[in-house]
Amino acid sequence: AQSVTQLDSHVSVSEGTPVLLRCNYSSSYSPSLFWYVQHPNKGLQLLLKYTSAATLVKGINGFEAEFKKSETSFHLTKPSAHMSDAAEYFCVVSRRNNAGNMLTFGGGTRLMVKP
Amino acid sequence: GAGVSQTPSNKVTEKGKYVELRCDPISGHTALYWYRQSLGQGPEFLIYFQGTGAADDSGLPNDRFFAVRPEGSVSTLKIQRTERGDSAVYLCASSLMAGGDYGYTFGSGTRLTVV
Repeated sequence: AQSVTQLDSHVSVSEGTPVLLRCNYSSSYSPSLFWYVQHPNKGLQLLLKYTSAATLVKGINGFEAEFKKSETSFHLTKPSAHMSDAAEYFCVVSRRNNAGNMLTFGGGTRLMVKP
Repeated sequence: GAGVSQTPSNKVTEKGKYVELRCDPISGHTALYWYRQSLGQGPEFLIYFQGTGAADDSGLPNDRFFAVRPEGSVSTLKIQRTERGDSAVYLCASSLMAGGDYGYTFGSGTRLTVV
């Protein structure tokens, strides 16, 4: 079994300040972990993924996340928020090497960026 | 095609009616997934196909939901006797193969509203 908890349903930051979106996961297996972003009326876009290599993962648009097995966390960060970062963000766990590779999504965090 | 295409983008139907939602995956992708995203929640797995066969349909909520992929490409999600609780965005994704570290590509979804 696997699950994902996104600790904040809403996060508000000012443009130019750091972003932190928190995620904790639970998995009975070696997990693959992802962050997806969803802009209004757009499809889900992959930001980054962790699949067992380096624990610090760099993604698109300046985002990165660190896999911490001891804390079962995979928090998403960005040093400086941009207005275009305002969107819904989903932390996702997949059972690595599972034949079906189904994804389990967290409940999402809505990021708001103030000018 | 260049991406995953879902049609229609919006569908409004009356309670009790039958609806079909279509997904056209990326050419050559053998794995196809359906997810459902209710308002304010993360997507939830419904069913996945490897080729023409439904390899896992454990996420389908009840027997009113059915999906096919007769030629291993286009898939249709079918909902009989629709209920207001079926209102959601239905997302389709495809992957080169199931399992391992193959990435998903999501479509923009079909927003189904049952009135």
